[in-house]
Amino acid sequence: AQTVTQSQPEMSVQEAETVTLSCTYDTSESDYYLFWYKQPPSRQMILVIRQEAYKQQNATENRFSVNFQKAAKSFSLKISDSQLGDAAMYFCAYRSQGGSEKLVFGKGMKLTVNP
Amino acid sequence: NAGVTQTPKFRILKIGQSMTLQCTQDMNHNYMYWYRQDPGMGLKLIYYSVGAGITDKGEVPNGYNVSRSTTEDFPLRLELAAPSQTSVYFCASSPTVGDPTDTQYFGPGTRLTVL
Repeated sequence: AQTVTQSQPEMSVQEAETVTLSCTYDTSESDYYLFWYKQPPSRQMILVIRQEAYKQQNATENRFSVNFQKAAKSFSLKISDSQLGDAAMYFCAYRSQGGSEKLVFGKGMKLTVNP
Repeated sequence: NAGVTQTPKFRILKIGQSMTLQCTQDMNHNYMYWYRQDPGMGLKLIYYSVGAGITDKGEVPNGYNVSRSTTEDFPLRLELAAPSQTSVYFCASSPTVGDPTDTQYFGPGTRLTVL
């Protein structure tokens, strides 16, 4: 079974600075998808960014980018120019290719943004 | 476009009571999921469905039941509530495999307390 590990339970960053959230995973599969979800206090789960394992290019979405290291099974999220609205829980998630599209989540990391 | 809606937002149950958590999506997604999120933890899959009339167990199905009579609705039933079922419950949906968007869309969650 696949597992996802987020080893840092909490991090903080100053507004306008850059922060990197780490995630590692374990799988024997070669094709899969990785996701970062944001969960603000409203509890809504919001997709931040998505990476396909077969793509070597790292995904980017505006201020959010990932560093995907397939051999190391590492998938970190970089937030540039941090904003107060980025404060939330962040979850890393894994999904196998095909089948039922089930997500396997890490335990999450709480990000605080200081003004 | 409402996306994924869940009712109720909050509920308190007594041990042994039963209830149904409602989930509806208006995006014509084939795949639907129920997750639970315990404090300080990531989401765990309870049940999922790949289409009307088809359901299957996830990681933590004990104490729950589901049905999928229509594409839009995927209710989760708790028959004999127990304190261990105190959690936040999320419903999610996703398009058919191969859709370029290919991500899960989450509802706002239901906070359930069993006393």
